[in-house]
Amino acid sequence: NAGVTQTPKFQVLKTGQSMTLQCAQDMNHNSMYWYRQDPGMGLRLIYYSASEGTTDKGEVPNGYNVSRLNKREFSLRLESAAPSQTSVYFCASSSQGGGLGYTFGSGTRLTVV
Amino acid sequence: GDSVTQMEGPVTLSEEAFLTINCTYTATGYPSLFWYVQYPGEGLQLLLKATKADDKGSNKGFEATYRKETTSFHLEKGSVQVSDSAVYFCALSLPYNQGGKLIFGQGTELSVKP
Repeated sequence: NAGVTQTPKFQVLKTGQSMTLQCAQDMNHNSMYWYRQDPGMGLRLIYYSASEGTTDKGEVPNGYNVSRLNKREFSLRLESAAPSQTSVYFCASSSQGGGLGYTFGSGTRLTVV
Repeated sequence: GDSVTQMEGPVTLSEEAFLTINCTYTATGYPSLFWYVQYPGEGLQLLLKATKADDKGSNKGFEATYRKETTSFHLEKGSVQVSDSAVYFCALSLPYNQGGKLIFGQGTELSVKP
């Protein structure tokens, strides 16, 4: 099925550990995004990639890095996880910079203890 | 800066009641506006959109009209069902030369009781 695939779906990390969240889309979209969702705060943009080969910071980039590996894949890395990074992470993609809406993955629920 | 403000939840309604979820925005230029829905344990799904002033987006009985004069995009449904229980997010999109970013409101949880 066409869409956005995120892995893993669940993860528990200890403080200071590192991990990479994977995202892939098969809709030939140019733009990809990483959001985090916290209760009462909606979705906040961490990083985005408007097109292959470019990445830019969003609203809450501290503690994260990203890689746009190719047109399909956009990964999010936590180098040294902190409890404040406990959240649900969503990857999304769009074809025309969001003007027609985004397609979201099903999310990764991350807990940092 | 650009922002979206939604009415706070949770909103609790009885089945077949009328629903309104208020959304107002602040933006430079003329953004596109969206409503997304998130069912428990799932990702976000696009519910409806409007790309210019006075456009009405509609889907699954939900409607919202892009009101430039009041900078609003309120979500309405004439008769809600239990299956409409979810969190609803209003959002606006920035132009492509600003990354085409979607900016979300904080979400409004809707609970519909039988």
